[in-house]
Amino acid sequence: DAKTTQPNSMESNEEEPVHLPCNHSTISGTDYIHWYRQLPSQGPEYVIHGLTSNVNNRMASLAIAEDRKSSTLILHRATLRDAAVYYCILRYDKLIFGTGTRLQVFP
Amino acid sequence: EAGVAQSPRYKIIEKRQSVAFWCNPISGHATLYWYQQILGQGPKLLIQFQNNGVVDDSQLPKDRFSAERLKGVDSTLKIQPAKLEDSAVYLCASSSTSGTGFEKLFFGSGTQLSVL
Repeated sequence: DAKTTQPNSMESNEEEPVHLPCNHSTISGTDYIHWYRQLPSQGPEYVIHGLTSNVNNRMASLAIAEDRKSSTLILHRATLRDAAVYYCILRYDKLIFGTGTRLQVFP
Repeated sequence: EAGVAQSPRYKIIEKRQSVAFWCNPISGHATLYWYQQILGQGPKLLIQFQNNGVVDDSQLPKDRFSAERLKGVDSTLKIQPAKLEDSAVYLCASSSTSGTGFEKLFFGSGTQLSVL
């Protein structure tokens, strides 16, 4: 399974943009890039996914490098409710989680 | 739309006892997954069902863990006998199709198991 590398933790202030990086240098052409987040005491929640082009939805934006070896999840205005562990996952069939990035948001 | 339902929410047992977890996926979802999440780690896939057939159980410790999905809807995960290292949150997830790369998974809130 293709591997991803994420920082263990990041911090942000409320209402500021947050850029969560993910490196995936061994990505294959059929791997989708998925982002999930896990709030305390809850199961993971889907955030966004993409294959080659940048993607936007109501929760976030996903910027994918041209060579697809890295991607960035963008939260445009962080809120306290965005404090969670964010997982970047490469997926062809199975969803294999790493340890993710713990995002802290300060008021 | 109702989400993935799991029960119980918490369970405390002693080692060598048996325990079972139940999952009801989102209506119409053909694919069901069980994950194990140990404190401080990401979820680890234990087993994947497509309707009532097993697609992948390569990470399931089959000497003590078993799972079934009767009639392609609800699923149960059993541990018999439990060990201390089985203490974790057991998460159930479902998706609408066959597990291909572009679809998203919906997770339940999990069952937190403590083995004493």
